[in-house]
Amino acid sequence: KNQVEQSPQSLIILEGKNCTLQCNYTVSPFSNLRWYKQDTGRGPVSLTIMTFSENTKSNGRYTATLDADTKQSSLHITASQLSDSASYICVVRGYGGATNKLIFGTGTLLAVQP
Amino acid sequence: EAQVTQNPRYLITVTGKKLTVTCSQNMNHEYMSWYRQDPGLGLRQIYYSMNVEVTDKGDVPEGYKVSRKEKRNFPLILESPSPNQTSLYFCASAPSGSSSYNEQFFGPGTRLTVL
Repeated sequence: KNQVEQSPQSLIILEGKNCTLQCNYTVSPFSNLRWYKQDTGRGPVSLTIMTFSENTKSNGRYTATLDADTKQSSLHITASQLSDSASYICVVRGYGGATNKLIFGTGTLLAVQP
Repeated sequence: EAQVTQNPRYLITVTGKKLTVTCSQNMNHEYMSWYRQDPGLGLRQIYYSMNVEVTDKGDVPEGYKVSRKEKRNFPLILESPSPNQTSLYFCASAPSGSSSYNEQFFGPGTRLTVL
């Protein structure tokens, strides 16, 4: 069964600190993986997309990594800000089958405190 | 501004009273989709549409209907809502349904409570 699991479920950090969120998936064959940020009361917004051949990709203070062999991805947030408080969702798309079918993780809820 | 809009944003209703949640996008996207988000579960797809007049079931279509008469609009219809349809609903759109790399753009969500 195609699944996406994220850890930790929730995380509290102090402003200015770094953190890393994890995503493990069993989706196969694999097409790509996206990290979304979902602010409270808003829809998810894409942070980055990674394909099979990519190991790391940055978007400002966000850096995503992908290990397609172990089926693991991480999202590293550097020098956290209060505005980083949100849910971060890992989304994996398989290759083939229904196009645009996405498998969503349950998200990691990040709280950045002053 | 390029966006996906949903209405209403919040709705409280009673069991059995038909309702419609509207979704509209101004990006000329071919692909549109509805999801529901429940605590402890990832977003689950209800229905999707690859283009006008083309709709298909997602993972949890029971109790829902959709239509795609125009490219920009994709309403979600609950003919006889039940309490287990209490959830947060998101509409999303993407340039096309044929590319695996298209980003989906999400609306702001509709919080529905069925009493």
